Amino acid sequence: AQKITQTQPGMFVQEKEAVTLDCTYDTSDQSYGLFWYKQPSSGEMIFLIYQGSYDEQNATEGRYSLNFQKARKSANLVISASQLGDSAMYFCAMREGPGTGGFKTIFGAGTRLFVKA
Amino acid sequence: DTGVSQDPRHKITKRGQNVTFRCDPISEHNRLYWYRQTLGQGPEFLTYFQNEAQLEKSRLLSDRFSAERPKGSFSTLEIQRTEQGDSAMYLCASSLSTGFSGANVLTFGAGSRLTVL
Repeated sequence: AQKITQTQPGMFVQEKEAVTLDCTYDTSDQSYGLFWYKQPSSGEMIFLIYQGSYDEQNATEGRYSLNFQKARKSANLVISASQLGDSAMYFCAMREGPGTGGFKTIFGAGTRLFVKA
Repeated sequence: DTGVSQDPRHKITKRGQNVTFRCDPISEHNRLYWYRQTLGQGPEFLTYFQNEAQLEKSRLLSDRFSAERPKGSFSTLEIQRTEQGDSAMYLCASSLSTGFSGANVLTFGAGSRLTVL
């Protein structure tokens, strides 16, 4: 069964330092997509970054990069130069592919990131 | 475009009553998703539509839940005979997808918070 695992309920990082949020996934599909979303205390989910299963290079979007290790089924998010505004919940998500017959996106339990001044 | 709109933002109801939530997606998006999120957890998939067709419904979803998307535009999620365990944030998201490939990035609404007394 498709599953997303985020093993870090909470993480602390010093402002201006880098932090890695862990994500592992399980799927029988060959074609799938991996995402990270941010949910600030205001509640609205914000898309951060996407990695396709056939993409050979790791995705980057500004200060966000996705460390994709396909053989290990991991898709860790790296935030460089952390800012106070990065304090939020972060969710790893996976979009299923045609092999499973559907295209829903499933989410992990999330990691709460606290950025310290 | 004003993004994904959800109404009402908050709903308090008594156990046993029926409630209905409405979602207006981004107009050009063909897919619409409903998720449920409880405090400190990731969004749990409920159902999704491609245009007006409901393509998948979570097997965990009670028969008390029903969703519609007439004419492939707005969607409604109805919960009949509400229970205290239905208290949660109900999130709607939409995406534009033209086939089996592509990111299918979800754009979320602000959510509808349900409290069942």
